[in-house]
Amino acid sequence: KNEVEQSPQNLTAQEGEFITINCSYSVGISALHWLQQHPGGGIVSLFMLSSGKKKHGRLIATINIQEKHSSLHITASHPRDSAVYICAVNGGSNYKLTFGKGTLLTVNP
Amino acid sequence: EPEVTQTPSHQVTQMGQEVILRCVPISNHLYFYWYRQILGQKVEFLVSFYNNEISEKSEIFDDQFSVERPDGSNFTLKIRSTKLEDSAMYFCASSHAGTRGNEQFFGPGTRLTVL
Repeated sequence: KNEVEQSPQNLTAQEGEFITINCSYSVGISALHWLQQHPGGGIVSLFMLSSGKKKHGRLIATINIQEKHSSLHITASHPRDSAVYICAVNGGSNYKLTFGKGTLLTVNP
Repeated sequence: EPEVTQTPSHQVTQMGQEVILRCVPISNHLYFYWYRQILGQKVEFLVSFYNNEISEKSEIFDDQFSVERPDGSNFTLKIRSTKLEDSAMYFCASSHAGTRGNEQFFGPGTRLTVL
């Protein structure tokens, strides 16, 4: 059973700051997902990655398979980035996602 | 852009009643999932569905739960006799292929409140 841990649980930043959210998992995976959940509850997929690094706009996601660790970075953070960011993994032999508890990010103007 | 839709957005029911939560996955997707999130907790996997049958289910998905794809577009989750602890947000998701690591697209969720 894969355990997915995220840190920090809560993060408050000032607009413009560089944000890093970390995720670690216990068992080898086929892919790691970063998701965003807004206060209304909806979940949006940000990244799916199995190696290296991906970038979409101000968001960057990296993964180190050997260390079983991933990071999500937000450059030049903005209040609209305020949301819960969730790390989830696909296990080695199945398609279901196992989720972390999420990181609540608040960006103040 | 295609999206997963879910109805209703909010369902209130009495304990012991049956509820059916409905989802319309993205049209060319083949794999379908239900997840739930109890308030303040992490999202949990319930069940995955492919080719008209369950491909995997969690311990949560007991005999009180069932899923069905009654036609070419809908994907439903039925809870036969709801309990207070079934109160949660239920998310449907779909993916184009079940190859491990395939991106899943989520619906907006149905908030189920059991009184």
